[in-house]
Amino acid sequence: KQEVTQIPAALSVPEGENLVLNCSFTDSAIYNLQWFRQDPGKGLTSLLLIQSSQREQTSGRLNASLDKSSGRSTLYIAASQPGDSATYLCANMYSGGGADGLTFGKGTHLIIQP
Amino acid sequence: DGGITQSPKYLFRKEGQNVTLSCEQNLNHDAMYWYRQDPGQGLRLIYYSQIVNDFQKGDIAEGYSVSREKKESFPLTVTSAQKNPTAFYLCASSSGLWNTEAFFGQGTRLTVV
Repeated sequence: KQEVTQIPAALSVPEGENLVLNCSFTDSAIYNLQWFRQDPGKGLTSLLLIQSSQREQTSGRLNASLDKSSGRSTLYIAASQPGDSATYLCANMYSGGGADGLTFGKGTHLIIQP
Repeated sequence: DGGITQSPKYLFRKEGQNVTLSCEQNLNHDAMYWYRQDPGQGLRLIYYSQIVNDFQKGDIAEGYSVSREKKESFPLTVTSAQKNPTAFYLCASSSGLWNTEAFFGQGTRLTVV
């Protein structure tokens, strides 16, 4: 059974810093990996999708990498802003059998101090 | 605007009642999903549907039921058999089942009173 772990669980940094959020998973048999943002009491907003054959994806100040063989993904946020404060969730679509849905980590709660 | 609409935003259920959560999408997506989110836990899959008139159980389907009579709609019923229904429920859709991006609605918060 696929398990997804996100480290750290919480992070507080001053505005302007570059930061890295980590995601690891136990089984490399995945179709894709997706990063989401969730604001308090809201739904999930898709940030980046990396297919299993890809190494990274970029969108604006965000860059996500995928190392499938080692079971790791990172989300890099450049020049952080207070508006980046949210919970960031990592999820992958497991291809090793079982129910066909995303398997989620518990998230990293990020606070950017003005 | 294209997207996924969940209603209501807040729902209160009395003990022993069934309640139905609505999920509608106008993205022309084939696949739809229901997830449950509890504090301190990751999202967990309840049910999913790849195509109209077909759906499959996820990891925590007990006490829930769904239907998929139209491509745009995937309602979730929380039955009285669900012993701990208080949670945040999220609906999602994607154009295909595996290699495509998933999009989520704004969620329904269900509370048992």
